[in-house]
Amino acid sequence: SWELTQPPSVSVSPGQTASITCSGDKLGDKYACWYQQKPGQSPVLVIYQDDKRPSGIPERFSGSNSGNTATLTIRGTQAMDEADYYCQAWDSTSFYVFGTGTKVTVL
Amino acid sequence: EVQLVESGGGLVKPGGSLRLSCATSGFNFSNSNMNWVRQAPGKGLEWVSSMSKRQTYIYYAESLRGRFTISRDNAKNSLYLQMNNLTVEDTAVYFCARQAETGESDFWGRGTLVIVSS
Repeated sequence: SWELTQPPSVSVSPGQTASITCSGDKLGDKYACWYQQKPGQSPVLVIYQDDKRPSGIPERFSGSNSGNTATLTIRGTQAMDEADYYCQAWDSTSFYVFGTGTKVTVL
Repeated sequence: EVQLVESGGGLVKPGGSLRLSCATSGFNFSNSNMNWVRQAPGKGLEWVSSMSKRQTYIYYAESLRGRFTISRDNAKNSLYLQMNNLTVEDTAVYFCARQAETGESDFWGRGTLVIVSS
């Protein structure tokens, strides 16, 4: 089955840039999206179609996708950005695939 | 305002069955593809099943095929998940989500908790 792999954790200082990677075979040939999930809450879509932000998502969130890696970047990270982040893509054999998830800690 | 409200979760014994419901409002349900996603305690998101707007396409996670059945009633703006022969590994919060045309899940419910335990 097709899989998406993320680092388990990323630490960032307030105001700095956090980058979260998502790796999968030929991921760049598909659309990737990203969800933010805070404890006890439902996931929230923060990036879709590789690099688009839904209405209401701050400009500090951006995305890219090329080759085998999609990346979510949070510039000027704030304490409120501390959460779990999941990438997701659609594969013709495994269908709807989520990444393993990354816990972002703002120190 | 878009709303998705799951219900039907609860405590069930191994081997038992449950039927989850997802009542929706605030968007054109009959013109939307829909997903079920689950999250075991302390674990990541796991896709369960998807159904296209006219039920033309139905997909299941390989590990669940044969035990879970997705369905929808466009007249009631509702999505369902029939879960049979439940095991302790099915313990999770089950979310329903609308799938946008470009594939991402853009709106999510708050989830309903299913606990499988003897």
